[in-house]
Amino acid sequence: QQPVQSPQAVILREGEDAVINCSSSKALYSVHWYRQKHGEAPVFLMILLKGGEQKGHEKISASFNEKKQQSSLYLTASQLSYSGTYFCGTEYDSGYSTLTFGKGTMLLVSP
Amino acid sequence: EPEVTQTPSHQVTQMGQEVILRCVPISNHLYFYWYRQILGQKVEFLVSFYNNEISEKSEIFDDQFSVERPDGSNFTLKIRSTKLEDSAMYFCASRVQGRANEKLFFGSGTQLSVL
Repeated sequence: QQPVQSPQAVILREGEDAVINCSSSKALYSVHWYRQKHGEAPVFLMILLKGGEQKGHEKISASFNEKKQQSSLYLTASQLSYSGTYFCGTEYDSGYSTLTFGKGTMLLVSP
Repeated sequence: EPEVTQTPSHQVTQMGQEVILRCVPISNHLYFYWYRQILGQKVEFLVSFYNNEISEKSEIFDDQFSVERPDGSNFTLKIRSTKLEDSAMYFCASRVQGRANEKLFFGSGTQLSVL
């Protein structure tokens, strides 16, 4: 079952903030966030497990709201290098399961 | 950091031909995956593989597709009779034990073009 991401695209100026959301209609066990640059493989950012934790990675952090079955990725003081497509991947089982990706959010940071 | 390697980086083939995409997962990883991404679209799951057999497959992974681990290091995806709509970037991925709290390591992909 595919997670739903929003928005589809975001255009920012350098230094601005953005939030990308990922939601599921089914109870989640984990949410993975990846960033993909054009023509390259997805690059891992972070994993959040159920329990409502928040994680940080440089100026990129994420939260997981178990009640809403939603994760949000926060990009603060965006840099040009943050441009790319952000995918969330979700899993519904703590055991051996399959990571299913959303359609992605395209982020463009301009000078 | 260890890497998943994929060959070739680009493959051009004629419709109806067979292609084999090759991957070398990270050596201590036990779970292997193939995903594909049609240009501009999302990364779609094809198949997962564990202990020399398919663990899970998607609707996309029909009889035209097969996977194999022919030796201790390679993991291959075969498309028997390619169609135009098989044109996509194919990513191999692996993780240690296939558990939901583990990071997925992606290879750099094989761009398949079916003419």
